[in-house]
Amino acid sequence: EDQVTQSPEALRLQEGESSSLNCSYTVSGLRGLFWYRQDPGKGPEFLFTLYSAGEEKEKERLKATLTKKESFLHITAPKPEDSATYLCAVLSGSARQLTFGSGTQLTVLP
Amino acid sequence: SAVISQKPSRDICQRGTSLTIQCQVDSQVTMMFWYRQQPGQSLTLIATANQGSEATYESGFVIDKFPISRPNLTFSTLTVSNMSPEDSSIYLCSAQIGGTNYGYTFGSGTRLTVV
Repeated sequence: EDQVTQSPEALRLQEGESSSLNCSYTVSGLRGLFWYRQDPGKGPEFLFTLYSAGEEKEKERLKATLTKKESFLHITAPKPEDSATYLCAVLSGSARQLTFGSGTQLTVLP
Repeated sequence: SAVISQKPSRDICQRGTSLTIQCQVDSQVTMMFWYRQQPGQSLTLIATANQGSEATYESGFVIDKFPISRPNLTFSTLTVSNMSPEDSSIYLCSAQIGGTNYGYTFGSGTRLTVV
């Protein structure tokens, strides 16, 4: 059974204070690892897909990396508008649906 | 990018009644997915809906409680039947649009409160 574990559960940063969120996974045949951002009361917003170990993707202040066991979402010089819950999900084997982690609630203080 | 329109965005319902949630995709998709997100928790898949066939339900979810329709390649509904306060959650629909490079797109969610 696929498992996705995110840490920390919650993270409070000062504006400009860089940090990383972790997503550890156990799957049978990774087809893709996905990062989403979710604002309160809204559906998840797609950020990145990573397919293989060593792959990296960037978007503004966010950079996602992937190893064979985990993925990191690096946030450089965050701003208050980066405050949200960040969700990690995997697609494995012949599955058609995603398995989600429990998310990291990020708060960036001005 | 593709859009999924979901409605209603929120509702407050009486115990024992039913609510039907609608999702409209602006392009044709093979599969649509229905998720539940309980307060402070992550997403749990309820079922996968294919056009022209019965939905496939995950463990712990049954058709009598969560009937799903998928009349065409752009539309699906989820009904939450005989509601109880434990059904209070956010319900989300999703579809893979444009291949995995674009991830799975989600609707904006329906916040359901059962009183």
